[in-house]
Amino acid sequence: DIQMTQSPSVLSASVGDRVTLNCKASQNINKYLNWYQQKLGEAPKLLIYNTNNLQTGIPSRFSGSGSGTDYTLTISSLQPEDVATYFCFQHNSWPTFGAGTKLELK
Amino acid sequence: QVQLEESGPGLMQPSETLSLTCTVSGFSLTSNGVGWVRQPLGKGLVWMGTIWAGGSTNYNSAVQSRLSISRDTSKSQVFLKMNSLQPEDTGTYYCARHRPGFDYWGQGVMVTVSS
Repeated sequence: DIQMTQSPSVLSASVGDRVTLNCKASQNINKYLNWYQQKLGEAPKLLIYNTNNLQTGIPSRFSGSGSGTDYTLTISSLQPEDVATYFCFQHNSWPTFGAGTKLELK
Repeated sequence: QVQLEESGPGLMQPSETLSLTCTVSGFSLTSNGVGWVRQPLGKGLVWMGTIWAGGSTNYNSAVQSRLSISRDTSKSQVFLKMNSLQPEDTGTYYCARHRPGFDYWGQGVMVTVSS
C-alpha cells in the first residue's frame, strides 16, 4: 500500500496568513492526489482533486500543487472558517489517506 | 443534488455482524461507484471497500476476509456487512461516491462495538 505522510500534524496560524500543508507519498502517485477538509463533527469535504483542480463551490483561496511524491495545499489568506483537519488522499492505487493536519487559529 | 445517507445500528457486541445501508439520490449506482470509509474516534480515515458501477467490488486487504459490499440498484442502496466485530471496529462509517476519489459523502453513522 502507498503510505501518505502529512506535515505538520498541527499548524497554528493567524487570520490572513498564507498557510501551506504538505503531503508526501511513499511512491509516485502521478498527481492522483485529493485534499479534503473535515470540520469537527462533519463529514469530509472535497476541496481539490487531482493535485490542482478546485472542486465546485470551494473558495479560490485554496489551491494545490505538486507532482511525483510531494504535494502541497495552500490557503492564500486564512479565514476563521478554515479551522479544520485537512487530509490528503491518493487514488493512484488502492486508496489511502494521510493522517491529517489539524489547522488552528493562533 | 447528490446525496448519500448511512443508516444502521449504533451499538454492536463483539463477534456480531454489522449491517449498514447507504441510500443514495441524485446519481445512479449503475454509473458510479460507492465506497465505505471508516474513521475511528479522533483518528484518520481508512478506505474499507468499494462497489463499482458494473457491480464488481474491491476491498482493503486489512478487512477483506470479514467484509462484503453489495447493492440494490432498484432501491439506490448500497450495503456493508462486516462480521466478527471487535472493539477496534468502533468508529464512524461513511459512504461516499467513488469516482475515482470520493467527491460526495454521507454524514456518517457512529458504530460502537462493546460488550
